[in-house]
Amino acid sequence: DVKVTQSSRYLVKRTGEKVFLECVQDMDHENMFWYRQDPGLGLRLIYFSYDVKMKEKGDIPEGYSVSREKKERFSLILESASTNQTSMYLCASSSKAGNTIYFGEGSWLTVV
Amino acid sequence: GENVEQHPSTLSVQEGDSAVIKCTYSDSASNYFPWYKQELGKRPQLIIDIRSNVGEKKDQRIAVTLNKTAKHFSLHITETQPEDSAVYFCAAASGANNLFFGTGTRLTVIP
Repeated sequence: DVKVTQSSRYLVKRTGEKVFLECVQDMDHENMFWYRQDPGLGLRLIYFSYDVKMKEKGDIPEGYSVSREKKERFSLILESASTNQTSMYLCASSSKAGNTIYFGEGSWLTVV
Repeated sequence: GENVEQHPSTLSVQEGDSAVIKCTYSDSASNYFPWYKQELGKRPQLIIDIRSNVGEKKDQRIAVTLNKTAKHFSLHITETQPEDSAVYFCAAASGANNLFFGTGTRLTVIP
């Protein structure tokens, strides 16, 4: 059973703070993704990674960066959090061979 | 890139009735079309998928149809039950393993 774990489920941060969202998968998947979910906007891709130390911009990368130092771990970084980054963030992973994406439980971030 | 449109955004049906959610996509190279169900406060989970070499796929009460010529695909849920209430997302992907999602449909099944 694929497990994608997001370490923080609920966070409240102040404007200007640096925020780290961590994601770990246990299926040796090559691909990892960070999505943002907002009502009426669906799931929007922020960044993805096809391999260790590789990263690609998604549809809405502005204000975010990522780090993939180990295959199982993909971190999303908000260098200076802003109120418009209040959202639910979903990490996901998939194997190189298949399309099926497996999601984590999500991290609810509120920036005040 | 790919653009996936999903309709309706909300759908209410009586228990036992059928529900249909429709999606269109823009990239003719897309060849994989999954549907995800997200219950309140939970992660999206894959419920059914279809590849472009197949026109229809069924799994118990849910089915997906694909019309490649028209670039649209649909999710059909028959004999709906209250536990079907959730947000449903369609998605499309080409060989790059990168899914493009629709904006979601909130389905409410009224007992």
